[in-house]
Amino acid sequence: GAVVSQHPSWVICKSGTSVKIECRSLDFQATTMFWYRQFPKQSLMLMATSNEGSKATYEQGVEKDKFLINHASLTLSTLTVTSAHPEDSSFYICSASGGRAGTGELFFGEGSRLTVL
Amino acid sequence: KQEVTQIPAALSVPEGENLVLNCSFTDSAIYNLQWFRQDPGKGLTSLLLIQSSQREQTSGRLNASLDKSSGRSTLYIAASQPGDSATYLCAVPSSNTGKLIFGQGTTLQVKP
Repeated sequence: GAVVSQHPSWVICKSGTSVKIECRSLDFQATTMFWYRQFPKQSLMLMATSNEGSKATYEQGVEKDKFLINHASLTLSTLTVTSAHPEDSSFYICSASGGRAGTGELFFGEGSRLTVL
Repeated sequence: KQEVTQIPAALSVPEGENLVLNCSFTDSAIYNLQWFRQDPGKGLTSLLLIQSSQREQTSGRLNASLDKSSGRSTLYIAASQPGDSATYLCAVPSSNTGKLIFGQGTTLQVKP
């Protein structure tokens, strides 16, 4: 299957700092990527849809100024958590459609665990 | 509004058993259904994708079936192994937005 890579896999930061997470499609081009957040023992919650060359579409309740998304190329989307606080600590996962055209199959990154002290 | 439910939430079986994980969805107008595996602290690994025109897909010891009319999909795991221990998630795209809607997952433990 297609490969999606995230970096970093884990990060610890101080409250008030900003953290950037990268999501790369390694062997295919992704015009659309998705960012999810997952709390312990819960399913994934879609945060936003990242569209190459245009503004991201945020889900209801997700602060766009808090979670900045940039999708500047067909293989890279970034999520920046600005002025992070302890409640932002979570597991962030990205996904991209990398299957055969029209199948709609999604592939996921390995996830990035953010801990805000 | 599409809702996806997985039963059971947790399952523990001895090694070697065949088992079935269930997924149900309320809106049968789905484009496809995808099964994923998630290990603790890891991302999701795509296991099987079933298109709406298909009834089943097989990969190794895994077999996924789809019955759109009844709003159900099952993931069959044959001859389970301790390495199969993980959380299994099913997901369908929303007919309105195309965004994936996930079930809550079934956490499987296969005991040696």
